[in-house]
Amino acid sequence: EAGVAQSPRYKIIEKRQSVAFWCNPISGHATLYWYQQILGQGPKLLIQFQNNGVVDDSQLPKDRFSAERLKGVDSTLKIQPAKLEDSAVYLCASSFAGGEGEQFFGPGTRLTVL
Amino acid sequence: GENVEQHPSTLSVQEGDSAVIKCTYSDSASNYFPWYKQELGKGPQLIIDIRSNVGEKKDQRIAVTLNKTAKHFSLHITETQPEDSAVYFCAASRSRGKLIFGAGTRLAVHP
Repeated sequence: EAGVAQSPRYKIIEKRQSVAFWCNPISGHATLYWYQQILGQGPKLLIQFQNNGVVDDSQLPKDRFSAERLKGVDSTLKIQPAKLEDSAVYLCASSFAGGEGEQFFGPGTRLTVL
Repeated sequence: GENVEQHPSTLSVQEGDSAVIKCTYSDSASNYFPWYKQELGKGPQLIIDIRSNVGEKKDQRIAVTLNKTAKHFSLHITETQPEDSAVYFCAASRSRGKLIFGAGTRLAVHP
């Protein structure tokens, strides 16, 4: 079974630029999550999708971050404009049915904002 | 707000010794407690989990205990091996799926 795919793996941008990350979840997984992991900290949920609907985006800085999950499969996370404090690893995870189901994580995208 | 505290932040043991990592959660409605292992350059991987209706769970060298009254849960690794070296995260969740992670414990197992 293929795992969660993410791209790119690394990205370096200047502050105020925009950036987008892509995630392809495990086939058949209805729930998709985006987490932000700052160096030395645990992952923090940014947004949770159930199929193509948003379940929780309470921690998403909506003035600069946006996410979509077209057709309930792939998802993109965008930052515009980026700030220095956005430097982190952005992890995508998926689970079969949300709730207490195991979340499978992708390898992450490491973003550096200069 | 929801919070999970994890201790210690770093742990160094000799191969064959046991390692214990402890977590405390604040949300009394939490009912699912997974533990993840994260190796360098990789995403977290689930190693064991426990639900609130169970006090203890074991899988080979790994065990987790849960004290709902005290809102504590712990990870126990016995007979540690060098390949156990990684960062370990505890997390807590209500039924809706959102995981609240601890800050992580960097475990080093020395041959």
